[in-house]
Formats: sequence, C-alpha cells, structure tokens
Amino acid sequence: GQSLEQPSEVTAVEGAIVQINCTYQTSGFYGLSWYQQHDGGAPTFLSYNALDGLEETGRFSSFLSRSDSYGYLLLQELQMKDSASYFCAVRDRTGGFKTIFGAGTRLFVKA
Amino acid sequence: EAQVTQNPRYLITVTGKKLTVTCSQNMNHEYMSWYRQDPGLGLRQIYYSMNVEVTDKGDVPEGYKVSRKEKRNFPLILESPSPNQTSLYFCASSSLDTTYGYTFGSGTRLTVV
Repeated sequence: GQSLEQPSEVTAVEGAIVQINCTYQTSGFYGLSWYQQHDGGAPTFLSYNALDGLEETGRFSSFLSRSDSYGYLLLQELQMKDSASYFCAVRDRTGGFKTIFGAGTRLFVKA
Repeated sequence: EAQVTQNPRYLITVTGKKLTVTCSQNMNHEYMSWYRQDPGLGLRQIYYSMNVEVTDKGDVPEGYKVSRKEKRNFPLILESPSPNQTSLYFCASSSLDTTYGYTFGSGTRLTVV
C-alpha cells in the first residue's frame, strides 16, 4: 500500500532552524510536495521535489532521497507566523494519479 | 485572481438528505481533486479528475459522487449523507505539471446530524 510518516509535533524557538522529516512507501513515486496549513485555513503549497537533492525557496528548503524514500522540510530563521501544520504529500502513478498526504506535523514556534 | 472557489463554507444537514458542494477554478487546470480532512488523519483523497469526463477514485470514495462536465467545475455529491461524513472538505486543482502543486479552496465544513 501507500503510506507517509511524519512526526506529529515539533517545537522550536524563534530564530532557530527546524527540520520536519517524511518517509514514504509507494510503488509509483512521482514527486514529494510540502504544504503549510494555518489553523482555520486551507493548505498552501510550499515546495516540490521530483529528483534527489535540495530545493531552496527563501527561508524554506526541501530535500529528497528517492533511494531512502525520505524527504524533509527545513525551515530557517523561524518566525512566530511559521506556527502551523506541515504536510508532506506524494503523487503516485499506481492505478491512476493519486496524491497521498501524510497526517501532518504541528509546528509550535516559541518566543 | 487565481483561485479555487468552494461553496458553501459551512453546511449542517440531516442524514439522508442529498447535497452538493460546488467547486470552481479559474486557472484552466486539468487536474481537480476532493479531499476530506479529519483530526489526526491528514487529508484523504476522495475523488480526482485529470480532465473533462475523466474521474477516478481516491482512497475514500464510498458515499460520494463527482462529475466533470466542464473543465472549471468539479462538484462533490453526497447522495445520502451519514454522520461519518461529517468532516472538513477541500477542493483542489493543479496543472498536470506537478511542479507547481495544488491550489486549495477555502474548505467546506460539513456536519451531518
């Protein structure tokens, strides 16, 4: 089957760096995405990795290792507004073109 | 403004009363999808569509129907809602180029009593 695992909760202080890991199991891997969701809001797209390596977008970076079925989201210079839930998602070509989301990691940023 | 519009935002209904949640996008996206979000379970895909008249089941399609008669619209139909369909629903769209990710609608909070 298909599954994604990510920590349920992470806490960090303002200005620090935090890494949110995601491991996945899927037979038709087609790319790993990351989304941010604030309480009461809709998920918003952050980044996408189809190939191994690091993708950087401002304070956020995302990494993928396809051989390890593993990726992470790195948030630098944390700000209070980064407190949110973060979801990894995998697009899978098996039996269609589904996108499967992890259960989400709740990030708490403390002053 | 590029957006996905869902209606209604909130809906309380009774068991068995058919309802439709509408979804429309103005980005000419080929791919549209419906998700439900429940605490601790993340987003689970209900149905998706890769283009007009092409729909496919996600991981939790039971009790739901969809149609894609026009590229911009992708309504979600609950023919006979039950309390276990009480959830937060999101419609999302994307181009077939997965690099750009989904754009999500604002969500529909559905309560079935």
